[in-house]
Amino acid sequence: SAVISQKPSRDICQRGTSLTIQCQVDSQVTMMFWYRQQPGQSLTLIATANQGSEATYESGFVIDKFPISRPNLTFSTLTVSNMSPEDSSIYLCSAWDVAEAFFGQGTRLTVV
Amino acid sequence: GQQLNQSPQSMFIQEGEDVSMNCTSSSIFNTWLWYKQEPGEGPVLLIALYKAGELTSNGRLTAQFGITRKDSFLNISASIPSDVGIYFCAGPKLNRDDKIIFGKGTRLHILP
Repeated sequence: SAVISQKPSRDICQRGTSLTIQCQVDSQVTMMFWYRQQPGQSLTLIATANQGSEATYESGFVIDKFPISRPNLTFSTLTVSNMSPEDSSIYLCSAWDVAEAFFGQGTRLTVV
Repeated sequence: GQQLNQSPQSMFIQEGEDVSMNCTSSSIFNTWLWYKQEPGEGPVLLIALYKAGELTSNGRLTAQFGITRKDSFLNISASIPSDVGIYFCAGPKLNRDDKIIFGKGTRLHILP
């Protein structure tokens, strides 16, 4: 199974600023994804991070707001841009490895 | 679109009791995944099911892939305090094996 390290684990940010979240996998994986989770709620897929090309976004999420990078098969970043309090949430990185999805511990973001 | 309906939404049980939760969909799934999430952590994969009718155990946990491929259940026997958490069923989106969608979760509480 893949081990995923995500940082920061939590942050408190001012509205209007941006935060970049990093995700490192301990092995090369084909697919990496970013999810958002409101406390106590289920996970909502933001986008698929594609290695060497633009990310594929789900309905309701756009590149200008959530730019994603994936420079290689083990690393990805998600930026939450021009933050507002509505962006306060848990952001989770996931990797798809041999028909199973594994998760980082998440980044708890609070926007004030 | 594909949705996973998970029930019950929450459960309050006594330590030592058995637990049963299930997940249904109007669409066929080729894979069912069961995750547990504890506060401040990302979801952890408990059991993966790949074949209709498959029954798989992981310690005190047992999960089954329904024959119709539209449902799955997870049982926990002889619950202990560390079983507390949110349990999610999940599966790949139809025709998009690389994207996992999640049920809304079952929150398990264990009474002292």
